[in-house]
Order: sequence, then C-alpha cells, then structure tokens
Amino acid sequence: AQSVSQHNHHVILSEAASLELGCNYSYGGTVNLFWYVQYPGQHLQLLLKYFSGDPLVKGIKGFEAEFIKSKFSFNLRKPSVQWSDTAEYFCAVNAKNSGYSTLTFGKGTMLLVSP
Amino acid sequence: SQTIHQWPATLVQPVGSPLSLECTVEGTSNPNLYWYRQAAGRGLQLLFYSVGIGQISSEVPQNLSASRPQDRQFILSSKKLLLSDSGFYLCAWSAYQTTEETQYFGPGTRLLVL
Repeated sequence: AQSVSQHNHHVILSEAASLELGCNYSYGGTVNLFWYVQYPGQHLQLLLKYFSGDPLVKGIKGFEAEFIKSKFSFNLRKPSVQWSDTAEYFCAVNAKNSGYSTLTFGKGTMLLVSP
Repeated sequence: SQTIHQWPATLVQPVGSPLSLECTVEGTSNPNLYWYRQAAGRGLQLLFYSVGIGQISSEVPQNLSASRPQDRQFILSSKKLLLSDSGFYLCAWSAYQTTEETQYFGPGTRLLVL
C-alpha cells in the first residue's frame, strides 16, 4: 500500500518569501501525484498534478512541483508567496493502472503568510 | 461543467441518532464517487468508493455505511452515531476509466456528534 509523508505540519512565511513544501511517498510502482489546496472556508481544490512527461509541473497561481523519481518526492514550490496563499496544502498519490483512483493523502501542511 | 453538491453543510447530532449525508454530481455520467473524512492534523481518510450504482467498496471498517441509489447520488449513513464520528466529510468524484483520473471535491459537511 502507498503512503504519503509531508514534512511540515505548519509553515509561517512573510510575503514575498519563497516556499517549498516537502512531500515524499512510498510505493513500489508507478504513481500519479497531486497537490490540493484548501483555502479557509473553501472547497478542496486541485493545485496541480503529474501523470507523465516533464517532471516539472506548473499549476495555478504560480505554483509548481517537481517529481524526482529517485527520491520518491513531489515537492511544491512558489518563488514568492502572497498573503492570499494562506491555506492548507495536501499532497496525494494514487497507484497507476488501477480502474479507479484511490488517493492516499498526506496529513497536510498549514501555510500562514503574514503581510 | 461538472459540479458537486453536499448537504447539509453543517450538522449537530446526538450520540445514538441516525445519520444521512447526501452528495450529488451534475454534468457528468457514470462517475466514480468517493467519501472521505478529514480530521485536523490527520489528512483525508478514504471511507468508501463506488464505480457504479449499487457498487460500494469500503476502505475501513466502521460505524458508517454508504449507498449509491442513483448514478450521480452517493449517500453516507449511520444507524447510531458515535462521538468518534465527528469530523468533516468530503465527497469527491472522478471520471470513469480515464487514463489521467483526477478527483474533484465537494464543499463538505461538518458533523458534530454530542
């Protein structure tokens, strides 16, 4: 079974600081990788996803993530955060080639950006 | 475009009472449907998934059950709620048998069992 580890439960940054949220997964086969974001009072939204091809994936709102297969990692990055990026971020993986996707989520990282 | 609805948004129930949470999807046919529970600091836990009407798979044994009476309707139920059932329940859908399957989430139901 797959598992997901997010390194930081809470991150506090000032506006314009750079962001990197760590995500490591454990699974022996091919995986699909996702980052979801949950802004205060809003739905869980898809931020970006990786299925195949270029391991550097760009998502909404200036976020990007890099899949490093040898490190089983899918870290989320943003060069300059804004106050509006305050949210909880979840990394998720699912095993490829299944007839349906059963996502396994990390425990989430709460990001607080101070103005 | 596809939309997913959940209701109620918030629910306060006494221990031992029954539960029924509803999820419906619009704008797609034969979706895969999922129920998750989100607990603070513990991420999202998959409870049930369904690939078709009447087809339910359970990921964890518990006090809850799920049903899919219609193609785009997914219901989470309990006959007798426990205090430990409190949490935030999320419904999600994904397109059936696509190569790049992505789950999309509803707004959630916050359940407090007293």
